[in-house]
Amino acid sequence: QKEVEQDPGPLSVPEGAIVSLNCTYSNSAFQYFMWYRQYSRKGPELLMYTYSSGNKEDGRFTAQVDKSSKYISLFIRDSQPSDSATYLCAMSASAAGNKLTFGGGTRVLVKP
Amino acid sequence: GAVVSQHPSWVICKSGTSVKIECRSLDFQATTMFWYRQFPKQSLMLMATSNEGSKATYEQGVEKDKFLINHASLTLSTLTVTSAHPEDSSFYICSARADRGGVYNEQFFGPGTRLTVL
Repeated sequence: QKEVEQDPGPLSVPEGAIVSLNCTYSNSAFQYFMWYRQYSRKGPELLMYTYSSGNKEDGRFTAQVDKSSKYISLFIRDSQPSDSATYLCAMSASAAGNKLTFGGGTRVLVKP
Repeated sequence: GAVVSQHPSWVICKSGTSVKIECRSLDFQATTMFWYRQFPKQSLMLMATSNEGSKATYEQGVEKDKFLINHASLTLSTLTVTSAHPEDSSFYICSARADRGGVYNEQFFGPGTRLTVL
């Protein structure tokens, strides 16, 4: 069993819809939770990070962490075709951002 | 923002040859750099962590003698794939971290290098 599980998709939504992404994990030591966006043949770009449980909002993006369920989510409101990419969740046990454990990524396609 | 570059962006080589990939932090000093490997439609797998001026720490299952890492300065780390074979073909991504204290020290990722071994 992988430490971090993520549905590979693809997830296809119409423009303007809400994109809902999630990951589950098994390591209770994880305290920092990140969401990255990766365009084809490019490096990942950090979208959001959250410490411990709770919600965090930044523009059209909302990240949620439920440590009791070992479940994290990312919501993208008013999705745009430019949001089409692969979204990776990542987790770390330390603030130093040492070893990041990534999920497999979910490919998202926003259709105009 | 923090920019990390990689060179080359893609490389094709013959089996048995060695390939060097450079990772540079362009506008900050990176105390620590990381090397990842990503297979098609799969996630990033950490290969090794390198700190400037010291030996790299390799993840379990990663061959130290095959993947040579050098972190000679605070802005440059190199990964050399020695005696490359077709199974080494992959997308190699580096990241760099500036230890600034605070709540979380972000890793900034390079654009990746596509290696194809014939």
